[in-house]
Amino acid sequence: GAVVSQHPSWVICKSGTSVKIECRSLDFQATTMFWYRQFPKQSLMLMATSNEGSKATYEQGVEKDKFLINHASLTLSTLTVTSAHPEDSSFYICSARVRLVRSPYGYTFGSGTRLTVV
Amino acid sequence: KQEVTQIPAALSVPEGENLVLNCSFTDSAIYNLQWFRQDPGKGLTSLLLIQSSQREQTSGRLNASLDKSSGRSTLYIAASQPGDSATYLCAALHGSSNTGKLIFGQGTTLQVKP
Repeated sequence: GAVVSQHPSWVICKSGTSVKIECRSLDFQATTMFWYRQFPKQSLMLMATSNEGSKATYEQGVEKDKFLINHASLTLSTLTVTSAHPEDSSFYICSARVRLVRSPYGYTFGSGTRLTVV
Repeated sequence: KQEVTQIPAALSVPEGENLVLNCSFTDSAIYNLQWFRQDPGKGLTSLLLIQSSQREQTSGRLNASLDKSSGRSTLYIAASQPGDSATYLCAALHGSSNTGKLIFGQGTTLQVKP
């Protein structure tokens, strides 16, 4: 249980175009989702927190106009990288906070999206 | 500001060895601590979750411990296998269970040689 499906798994786009990444909770309702960015051989850096039906909260230094997050339903959150540039090339991972059986909350992660901007 | 550090950054061991991965955090006011596994180009798989009130958790050949007072956690892997080769990440949940954020360490990349 508690599966998050992330698509696409990889995408190559031209500089200046926009790319949308989707994360769906398959068997639970995800009130809160998180978006992370990971550079090669580095850890996950939290970009933003999204709550269903409200605006996302962005971490310091993350451009909210460049990384648009929408969490319009309890099972879908999207990240759109607008006017992508080569420096936006990275691995993006979503995560959902989920209620567990033996503990209050845990976190489940999508499989990630490798974005390459050329 | 919570900072999570993992040592070593990389580790190579022969098959069958027992090993320990280390994780330290600067702010002891954590709600819980999780260990994850990440295979190259993939997402994260949760291995163990230790609540702040717990000292350790075990799952198969894995044992994770937590010492909040010293700001440390360890992941012990017994009888390592080549299939254990991956990057292991620890993450501290800073804040409450329903409003907190996971802060990740840089990871330890493990290679188990046959």
